[in-house]
Amino acid sequence: EAQVTQNPRYLITVTGKKLTVTCSQNMNHEYMSWYRQDPGLGLRQIYYSMNVEVTDKGDVPEGYKVSRKEKRNFPLILESPSPNQTSLYFCASSLAGGGASTDTQYFGPGTRLTVL
Amino acid sequence: DAKTTQPTSMDCAEGRAANLPCNHSTISGNEYVYWYRQIHSQGPQYIIHGLKNNETNEMASLIITEDRKSSTLILPHATLRDTAVYYCIVRVLNSGYALNFGKGTSLLVTP
Repeated sequence: EAQVTQNPRYLITVTGKKLTVTCSQNMNHEYMSWYRQDPGLGLRQIYYSMNVEVTDKGDVPEGYKVSRKEKRNFPLILESPSPNQTSLYFCASSLAGGGASTDTQYFGPGTRLTVL
Repeated sequence: DAKTTQPTSMDCAEGRAANLPCNHSTISGNEYVYWYRQIHSQGPQYIIHGLKNNETNEMASLIITEDRKSSTLILPHATLRDTAVYYCIVRVLNSGYALNFGKGTSLLVTP
């Protein structure tokens, strides 16, 4: 089944303890992206990647890192989490690079992160 | 990407058609109209997209006005499971940048 998976789905951690949220897609998609969703602020993009080894900042990149060493994986790293990073996180991917249909983005189920 | 305007909320009776409007009066010639929806706290789900012509798929129909300044998403027979926030997004194809979800329309389908 074609899908985007994220792990963990729920995480409670403490300030300063490094964590990684994994994202994997099995659709051979070029483009991958991370969003966070907060009440009243909607979905905001953190980082995106157009291909392997190519990443770029989105609208709210501060406090986050990403890497794209393989096409299928796009982990989100919080080196020193803070309470203001408590949020619902979504990973997305798309084929990109072709016609309109390839721009369709597929989203993972979300990771609810709480930083105490 | 062009800005969109959608009603904050709408109601629809189960089994009836849900017509969700979207205004995108500043859309430019190379921007597509996409619709996504988000069922409570789940990942957003793609519904349909179009450029000029009306489009239909197994989920919905998209009607785009001739001047492309507005569009309507139609769910022909709404069910309770269609209760969600619906987002109308206009964007240049494969721009690589974020989908601008905006606030969307919260659709409540009632029994």
